[in-house]
Amino acid sequence: GAGVSQSPRYKVTKRGQDVALRCDPISGHVSLYWYRQALGQGPEFLTYFNYEAQQDKSGLPNDRFSAERPEGSISTLTIQRTEQRDSAMYRCASSLRNNRGPNTEAFFGQGTRLTVV
Amino acid sequence: AQKITQTQPGMFVQEKEAVTLDCTYDTSDPSYGLFWYKQPSSGEMIFLIYQGSYDQQNATEGRYSLNFQKARKSANLVISASQLGDSAMYFCAMRLLMDTGRRALTFGSGTRLQVQP
Repeated sequence: GAGVSQSPRYKVTKRGQDVALRCDPISGHVSLYWYRQALGQGPEFLTYFNYEAQQDKSGLPNDRFSAERPEGSISTLTIQRTEQRDSAMYRCASSLRNNRGPNTEAFFGQGTRLTVV
Repeated sequence: AQKITQTQPGMFVQEKEAVTLDCTYDTSDPSYGLFWYKQPSSGEMIFLIYQGSYDQQNATEGRYSLNFQKARKSANLVISASQLGDSAMYFCAMRLLMDTGRRALTFGSGTRLQVQP
């Protein structure tokens, strides 16, 4: 596609439910990142992939959070047993190269606004 | 660990005036890239400008320039001839460029710029 696409744009879920957030990166982009952004704050790193390999998951807050990118394209971020503190904007970004070089800026999707009630 | 500090939560500027948004960073790694992103009220993240740690000259992109002072670890964004459409949240970010470094962006907390007519 023309840009990074995330779905759904908005998700309201009850506490304790599982949610799956989808990211479709720009075609051909090697690297894919997940970030979480609280209101009025900068994005906070969660995890990232090069192709299908999860390179760094150190930003995932706890084991209720997981992500996959099985075919090196679309990625899913799953939150199990959601809690109210999980409410935030979840952003996906992709970049063309695997970030060894400079100026490989990340292109961001519109995000998924998650609200846990 | 990398850290980005943006000390100005909010800034006002008159239309057609220039404005400087401050950003300081902290890393012990010699090879890194610095980025500025714009986030308008629509929520998208728009890449503006990039500066590499080994770049000899300050980066410029149209009305945007980056005042890079390596010894002071600062990477301030200068917007010349402000326009009403520049009103947005601005984020400074950094990424390490070495193979062993974290490839994802570390963001500051942002500065909200309001351009007044």
